[in-house]
Amino acid sequence: DAGVTQSPTHLIKTRGQQVTLRCSPKSGHDTVSWYQQALGQGPQFIFQYYEEEERQRGNFPDRFSGHQFPNYSSELNVNALLLGDSALYLCASSLAGRQETQYFGPGTRLLVL
Amino acid sequence: GENVEQHPSTLSVQEGDSAVIKCTYSDSASNYFPWYKQELGKRPQLIIDIRSNVGEKKDQRIAVTLNKTAKHFSLHITETQPEDSAVYFCAAYTGSARQLTFGSGTQLTVLP
Repeated sequence: DAGVTQSPTHLIKTRGQQVTLRCSPKSGHDTVSWYQQALGQGPQFIFQYYEEEERQRGNFPDRFSGHQFPNYSSELNVNALLLGDSALYLCASSLAGRQETQYFGPGTRLLVL
Repeated sequence: GENVEQHPSTLSVQEGDSAVIKCTYSDSASNYFPWYKQELGKRPQLIIDIRSNVGEKKDQRIAVTLNKTAKHFSLHITETQPEDSAVYFCAAYTGSARQLTFGSGTQLTVLP
């Protein structure tokens, strides 16, 4: 049973650039949530995707956008990168009927220079 | 929105002792409370969860208790082992917001 996977594992970008992160949910799951985890802090909710639509968004600017594909995989895009965007980006998958029970991927560590 | 506070931020215990981590939440509509364990450089791993209609849940050496009236919940680890050393996060889920709100984490160190 495949767990949640994310790519790439690490990424280095410079300020002003754009980045795309990818997530494949756990087998059988159809909902993907994205989180940002700064060093030494708990994950912060960015948004959730279900049926290829953004269902809910946390307190993040619209530089952060996403997409979900028909196979339930998802992308997180961040435009106009800032130094403060450096963090571990986690995706979590769940089932629509049990969306509270979320399983995390290994994350993508983004460093913005 | 929901706010989750977690204490202590660091906790050291001797191997074999018990460890307790406490969290409080603010939104009375929150109805699901998971705990995650995150080892250095690894993903948060769901270790136990509890729903608002249950007061206590156990799974081997791990237990979680929930007091809805006081809006707090706790993680209890008994007979701690060195491999229990990690950062533990509590979280609260509010259905209307469709999001997990996390505490700030507790670094647990089990000393051999």
